Amino acid sequence: AQSVTQPDIHITVSEGASLELRCNYSYGATPYLFWYVQSPGQGLQLLLKYFSGDTLVQGIKGFEAEFKRSQSSFNLRKPSVHWSDAAEYFCAVVHNNAGNMLTFGGGTRLMVKP
Amino acid sequence: EAGVAQSPRYKIIEKRQSVAFWCNPISGHATLYWYQQILGQGPKLLIQFQNNGVVDDSQLPKDRFSAERLKGVDSTLKIQPAKLEDSAVYLCASSLISYNEQFFGPGTRLTVL
Repeated sequence: AQSVTQPDIHITVSEGASLELRCNYSYGATPYLFWYVQSPGQGLQLLLKYFSGDTLVQGIKGFEAEFKRSQSSFNLRKPSVHWSDAAEYFCAVVHNNAGNMLTFGGGTRLMVKP
Repeated sequence: EAGVAQSPRYKIIEKRQSVAFWCNPISGHATLYWYQQILGQGPKLLIQFQNNGVVDDSQLPKDRFSAERLKGVDSTLKIQPAKLEDSAVYLCASSLISYNEQFFGPGTRLTVL
């Protein structure tokens, strides 16, 4: 069965430090990949997406992610974290079957220390 | 451009009662989704509509959950009767194309006592 794994449930980084959130997927074909962010009391917002082409994609708020087919990974990065980045981050994958169902990982909660 | 609207934002009911949630997607978005997000987990798709037809409802507990999207615009999700394990945030999302970016509403937080 297809699945999306985010190995880190919680991550704490200091403000200004770099960030990498891990995402691995189990899927036969090259999927469509997404990162969403959910701030407290807010709906999910798309940070970036990968469909094809350049494997390094740029998103909003200074985030980027790199698709590595050999590792079945799509890790999210940011060179310098801001306190406002504290939120829950979800990796998601579209199944290219009937309906193109979006499957989410379990999420990584990011805390930012001053 | 107005976002996805959901109501109510919060609902508290007792088990075995009924509850309904409403969603109005972004204008022009043909695809509408309902997700269930249990605390500490990622959202799980319950049902997906394309216009007013159901595309996928394989994860919808059909013995107690129902959803409709009359006229291909707004949608209602109902739970009847509710169980304790239905306590969750119910998210509605819409998209222009089914495999592309989904826009999410703020969600309805349901507590079943």
